[in-house]
Amino acid sequence: DTEVTQTPKHLVMGMTNKKSLKCEQHMGHRAMYWYKQKAKKPPELMFVYSYEKLSINESVPSRFSPECPNSSLLNLHLHALQPEDSALYLCASSQTPRASGQYFGPGTRLTVT
Amino acid sequence: GQNIDQPTEMTATEGAIVQINCTYQTSGFNGLFWYQQHAGEAPTFLSYNVLDGLEEKGRFSSFLSRSKGYSYLLLKELQMKDSASYLCAPEGNQGGKLIFGQGTELSVKP
Repeated sequence: DTEVTQTPKHLVMGMTNKKSLKCEQHMGHRAMYWYKQKAKKPPELMFVYSYEKLSINESVPSRFSPECPNSSLLNLHLHALQPEDSALYLCASSQTPRASGQYFGPGTRLTVT
Repeated sequence: GQNIDQPTEMTATEGAIVQINCTYQTSGFNGLFWYQQHAGEAPTFLSYNVLDGLEEKGRFSSFLSRSKGYSYLLLKELQMKDSASYLCAPEGNQGGKLIFGQGTELSVKP
């Protein structure tokens, strides 16, 4: 199994909703990442989990809350989002946190209304 | 500060060779990655350079000069499916933190 899966593919939510994005990999990778990507822009790093511990938080607003229940799973909990949070949310994993190619999932297209 | 510079757009002909350049200035440096991203899809890992020199992988090669803060991606025998955005991404001191350039949109014409 050489892929990263993400669910759902698309999500529309209101500003008062609570939802979660899910990411899974079975490659034995020990680092997992959340990125946000706006149209025609490169991915922006949000969070890095290294050996199931949060190692980097790029000053992301608290309305985004990451969780790593085990080495294969990564969640992103969403609450009270703003319309400007609408974007493609990408999950990635790599064998180690350093000097290791990151493999991306297909992403969740999020629209906040 | 951190700065990555790569051309915004390039056009090339099917069957030709194209070189996409990237210059970077980062706080610390552990290596440099190149990714390909087709419109509406996730980025795909192409290459990783940590030492100076050329790394060849099929039709794609990547070069790094650490002292010059310079890398390039070389694509040979271009195919229409190579039309995509190519992202240069140096890795800084913080493990796992890639700093993506704005991407080079490559159009391959028949």
